[in-house]
Amino acid sequence: KNQVEQSPQSLIILEGKNCTLQCNYTVSPFSNLRWYKQDTGRGPVSLTIMTFSENTKSNGRYTATLDADTKQSSLHITASQLSDSASYICVVSKGGSYIPTFGRGTSLIVHP
Amino acid sequence: GAVVSQHPSWVICKSGTSVKIECRSLDFQATTMFWYRQFPKQSLMLMATSNEGSKATYEQGVEKDKFLINHASLTLSTLTVTSAHPEDSSFYICSARAGEQYFGPGTRLTVT
Repeated sequence: KNQVEQSPQSLIILEGKNCTLQCNYTVSPFSNLRWYKQDTGRGPVSLTIMTFSENTKSNGRYTATLDADTKQSSLHITASQLSDSASYICVVSKGGSYIPTFGRGTSLIVHP
Repeated sequence: GAVVSQHPSWVICKSGTSVKIECRSLDFQATTMFWYRQFPKQSLMLMATSNEGSKATYEQGVEKDKFLINHASLTLSTLTVTSAHPEDSSFYICSARAGEQYFGPGTRLTVT
């Protein structure tokens, strides 16, 4: 069964601190992996997308890494801001299918 | 570019009534749109895949007679929740595919 597992389930950090979110997947064959940010009551917004040959991708303070051998990805947030409080969802697409598999998300709360 | 809108953003209806939710791709054409449902603190669950001009493909466990999907044009798909019950209360999100998936802002449905 194709799965995407995220950890931690929730995370609380202080404003200005860095944090790293993890995503492990078993989806095969692998096509691409995306990280989305979902604010409460809103639709997901894409942060990064990586294919098999890419092992790092940055978008401002967000940096995603991918290890396709170990089937792991991480999302690193630098110098967190209050507006970073949201759910971060890892989504993995399977080769030959345009229906992706969603992780359950990591709920991040940034406190002042 | 690649903006997806949903209407309404929230709706409250009485049990037994029907509710229609619209999903539009504003600046691109999408032959395929997806409908998701998301319960609190849960990940997005794919309900159905909507293809322009053809019948939708429903995921296992989703009642096609209860959740009517119409994809009449390349920029519009509608989801109608028929004979709504309180357990249908949820956050409904659509996405449109143009290479990758672009998500709408979601519609909060509350059935009283």
